[in-house]
Amino acid sequence: KAGVTQTPRYLIKTRGQQVTLSCSPISGHRSVSWYQQTPGQGLQFLFEYFSETQRNKGNFPGRFSGRQFSNSRSEMNVSTLELGDSALYLCASSATGGAGDTEAFFGQGTRLTVV
Amino acid sequence: GQNIDQPTEMTATEGAIVQINCTYQTSGFNGLFWYQQHAGEAPTFLSYNVLDGLEEKGRFSSFLSRSKGYSYLLLKELQMKDSASYLCAVRARSNYQLIWGAGTKLIIKP
Repeated sequence: KAGVTQTPRYLIKTRGQQVTLSCSPISGHRSVSWYQQTPGQGLQFLFEYFSETQRNKGNFPGRFSGRQFSNSRSEMNVSTLELGDSALYLCASSATGGAGDTEAFFGQGTRLTVV
Repeated sequence: GQNIDQPTEMTATEGAIVQINCTYQTSGFNGLFWYQQHAGEAPTFLSYNVLDGLEEKGRFSSFLSRSKGYSYLLLKELQMKDSASYLCAVRARSNYQLIWGAGTKLIIKP
């Protein structure tokens, strides 16, 4: 069973540019959550998608957006990049994202550097 | 409000036992998770507790007390490869989202 796949692994972008990150969840999983991780900050929740619908959203500005496709693959987009957006972006896959899930599986992450 | 607290860093000796604590305050609780994250890698699942008590899995055990808003992860027979960050997360009952602590960096010395 293939794991969670995130692409690309590394990105370097310039301030003001936009970026799109991709996440392919484990086959059969319908919930995908996105997180931003910076040193000392822990995982900050961005949003969660389930069955192509954004079900939950964290406290990030509107520059951060996402979507989910019918095959459960998800993308997140960050527009007008700022230096502070430099971080590791992780996606997590789980069966339903609900109370019955006893585990979420993470991808390797995309390391975004904004210069 | 929702808040998860863990120590920032801990040091232990190879072969010893270490306990990493996690305290939480949430408006509704629906389970607590522990993950291990090596530097530059993805977090990997260690344990899940939803009822009070101790869950044992090999060298790792996790304990939960819901009335005290408290959990700990116990690592026995420490190995150098256990050097990593340990993340505690609580699932909120309202929307089933995971709220994460900042993580505890565990350093193992020979």
